Amino acid sequence: KAGVTQTPRYLIKTRGQQVTLSCSPISGHRSVSWYQQTPGQGLQFLFEYFSETQRNKGNFPGRFSGRQFSNSRSEMNVSTLELGDSALYLCASSLATSGGPYNEQFFGPGTRLTVL
Amino acid sequence: DAKTTQPPSMDCAEGRAANLPCNHSTISGNEYVYWYRQIHSQGPQYIIHGLKNNETNEMASLIITEDRKSSTLILPHATLRDTAVYYCIVRVGQGAQKLVFGQGTRLTINP
Repeated sequence: KAGVTQTPRYLIKTRGQQVTLSCSPISGHRSVSWYQQTPGQGLQFLFEYFSETQRNKGNFPGRFSGRQFSNSRSEMNVSTLELGDSALYLCASSLATSGGPYNEQFFGPGTRLTVL
Repeated sequence: DAKTTQPPSMDCAEGRAANLPCNHSTISGNEYVYWYRQIHSQGPQYIIHGLKNNETNEMASLIITEDRKSSTLILPHATLRDTAVYYCIVRVGQGAQKLVFGQGTRLTINP
């Protein structure tokens, strides 16, 4: 079974631009979560999508948004990029159900975003 | 979710058991202990989880104290490939798929 895939793997943008990152979960997984990892703040939860609905959101500004499609693939978008948005963005999928138990999350390799 | 405390770094010789401690003194009765690890330049990987009984799988063993205020992840025969940052996370067993990561323990396996 294929793992979680993320595209692109590397991205360089300039301040003020916007960016869209893509995540394809493991087949059959309906929950997709996004995390940001920086040297200073570590791994931080951005949001989770389940069945095309945002189910949980971390403490990030509104410039960070996401969506999930009917095939469970997910995208996250960051508008008006700032230097501090440079980070590794990780996507994770799981077999989570609505109202069910926590299920182990499978992480992708991440997209490394550099903002100049 | 309860907070956890882990040593920032540890070393272990290859072939020996690596014992990684985690303190979670404010853990609630319905909270589980989860362990993930992150090998350099990869996404985190689930290792094991438990509620109050000791658990073992093909990767590791998890020992939780009787009062549940601390736990130890044991890698029985550490290899160089086990060099990674290990995260101990405490959370309820239901609900959203959100993990709150601390700083973890950077485990270095030495040849």
